[in-house]
Amino acid sequence: QKEVEQNSGPLSVPEGAIASLNCTYSDRGSQSFFWYRQYSGKSPELIMFIYSNGDKEDGRFTAQLNKASQYVSLLIRDSQPSDSATYLCAVPFSGGYNKLIFGAGTRLAVHP
Amino acid sequence: KAGVTQTPRYLIKTRGQQVTLSCSPISGHRSVSWYQQTPGQGLQFLFEYFSETQRNKGNFPGRFSGRQFSNSRSEMNVSTLELGDSALYLCASSLGTVELNTIYFGEGSWLTVV
Repeated sequence: QKEVEQNSGPLSVPEGAIASLNCTYSDRGSQSFFWYRQYSGKSPELIMFIYSNGDKEDGRFTAQLNKASQYVSLLIRDSQPSDSATYLCAVPFSGGYNKLIFGAGTRLAVHP
Repeated sequence: KAGVTQTPRYLIKTRGQQVTLSCSPISGHRSVSWYQQTPGQGLQFLFEYFSETQRNKGNFPGRFSGRQFSNSRSEMNVSTLELGDSALYLCASSLGTVELNTIYFGEGSWLTVV
């Protein structure tokens, strides 16, 4: 059974700090990884997509992938109160082009 | 470019009834997947359609079904509704032709079963 694990949080960080969100996965064959942000009462919004080992940066967001350790993380620099949301890590099933298995999500709270 | 459109956004049904939800994917996307999100179970995959064919299916009972039309629009149906079917139902759109492609969600349909 493929699994994606995340700490449920809440992760509380002060405004301006770096928030670090972590995700581990069980399937060594996984090739791509998604980070979604979900505000309360809203649908998931894609914020990062990574498939190569190393770092991928997009604005204040950096995704880090380590396939050997089966670990993917999301760093949010200069955290803002508007970043307060649940962050979902998702991994496609092998051969499943549009079939994702999600972690439970980490709730992030950025306080002023 | 229009995003993924889901209708209706909110609905209330009675136990035993059935419901049909609709999804229009991003233009050019041929794959539509459906997910159920509940507080207890999180986001769970229901099924995926590509070129009018069901390509993948999750672990849900046969009361949950779907279809896709030639214009890639998709519908999902839940028959004999149960209280536990109350959830946010999300539609996800992607190209569906390569594994390394991005997947976008619609705003969802909130279903309450009373």
